[in-house]
Amino acid sequence: GQNIDQPTEMTATEGAIVQINCTYQTSGFNGLFWYQQHAGEAPTFLSYNVLDGLEEKGRFSSFLSRSKGYSYLLLKELQMKDSASYLCAVRTGGFKTIFGAGTRLFVKA
Amino acid sequence: EAGVVQSPRYKIIEKKQPVAFWCNPISGHNTLYWYRQNLGQGPELLIRYENEEAVDDSQLPKDRFSAERLKGVDSTLKIQPAELGDSAVYLCASSDRDTNSPLHFGNGTRLTVT
Repeated sequence: GQNIDQPTEMTATEGAIVQINCTYQTSGFNGLFWYQQHAGEAPTFLSYNVLDGLEEKGRFSSFLSRSKGYSYLLLKELQMKDSASYLCAVRTGGFKTIFGAGTRLFVKA
Repeated sequence: EAGVVQSPRYKIIEKKQPVAFWCNPISGHNTLYWYRQNLGQGPELLIRYENEEAVDDSQLPKDRFSAERLKGVDSTLKIQPAELGDSAVYLCASSDRDTNSPLHFGNGTRLTVT
C-alpha cells in the first residue's frame, strides 16, 4: 500500500524555528512536494525535492532522504501568518500525486 | 497568468439530488485533477486527465460520480444522486506534464448535503 505520515498538530512561538516531518512508503517515486493550506483556502505550492538534500527558499527549507523515505519542512523566523496546515505530497510512478493528512501548525505570540 | 477557476464556490443540496462542479485549468496545462478533501484530511484523488483522456479514475465512485473534460480544457464533475457522505470540498488542480511540475489548485467547491 501507499502511506504518507505526518504529525497531526504542532505549536510553535513567533520568531522560532519549527520542523515538520513526513515519512512515506509509495510505489515509485518522482518527487516530494510541500504545500501550505490556510483554513478555507486552496493548497499552495511551497517546495519540491527529487534528489537527496536540502532545498532552501527564503524562510522555508525542505529536506529529502529517499533511502529513508523521509522529508522535513523547516520554517524559520515564524510569523503569525504561518499558522496553517502543511501538506506533504509524493508523486509516485505513473504521475500520481498522493497527499498526507496534513500538519496543522499553530503559531502563538 | 490566470489561476485555476472553479464554480460554484459553495453548494447546498438535499440528499438524492444531483450536483455538478465546473473547472477551468491554467492555460496550457495538459493535466487536470479532481480531488476531494474532507475536514482535517489531505486531498484525495478522484480522477486525473491527460488532455481529454481519463488516465486514472480508480478512486472515482463510478456508481454515482462522473466526470468529463471536453476538448481537453474545461472539466465537469457530477454527482447523482448525492449522499450525506459526499459533503466535502471538491478541489480542481492542473499542472504541466513535467514530473517536477507542482499542482495549482482552484479555490474549491464546498458541498453540503443535507
